[in-house]
Amino acid sequence: NAGVTQTPKFQVLKTGQSMTLQCAQDMNHEYMSWYRQDPGMGLRLIHYSVGAGITDQGEVPNGYNVSRSTTEDFPLRLLSAAPSQTSVYFCASSTQWTPKVSPLHFGNGTRLTVT
Amino acid sequence: GQQVMQIPQYQHVQEGEDFTTYCNSSTTLSNIQWYKQRPGGHPVFLIQLVKSGEVKKQKRLTFQFGEAKKNSSLHITATQTTDVGTYFCADDNYGQNFVFGPGTRLSVLP
Repeated sequence: NAGVTQTPKFQVLKTGQSMTLQCAQDMNHEYMSWYRQDPGMGLRLIHYSVGAGITDQGEVPNGYNVSRSTTEDFPLRLLSAAPSQTSVYFCASSTQWTPKVSPLHFGNGTRLTVT
Repeated sequence: GQQVMQIPQYQHVQEGEDFTTYCNSSTTLSNIQWYKQRPGGHPVFLIQLVKSGEVKKQKRLTFQFGEAKKNSSLHITATQTTDVGTYFCADDNYGQNFVFGPGTRLSVLP
């Protein structure tokens, strides 16, 4: 079982460039999400999805777009990269929320630097 | 929006000492999950607490959920160098999304 797969592992962008961070899971999880992690800031939610065709904004959505056309994939798009988007990005998935929640499964992360 | 706080931000202990991190919220928490992130790694699920006053143990780790469901704690007895990392609590916000605390970074000196 591959779990949650993120690509690429590292990326360097110039200000103004666009790119897509890929996230795929093979556990048939309905819930998928993107977090960014900055020193001293913990994990901040960017966007999340509770199923194919459904997405919603998290705490820090500006500058990012997402789509969820399939259950397996949840790509994160940076429209015009800015130095403030330098961070480590984690994708995470979980089974659909029920009164007994299942844990988040995280990918290995993408370390993004914007110069 | 909902905020989850954690204290302390950093903790340095000598190997063999105990360690505790606290997770607090001004509003009632839904379900609390605890995660551990090793340096350079990704968060890994440790445990989930659901009921008011719940206490769970995993070897040297003890997890508690407050009676009012506004706080939680993780206690490690006799720390080891393998305990090094950042410990996060997260609330599932009644099924809306997962809200993480800022984490407590633990250093263990051999």
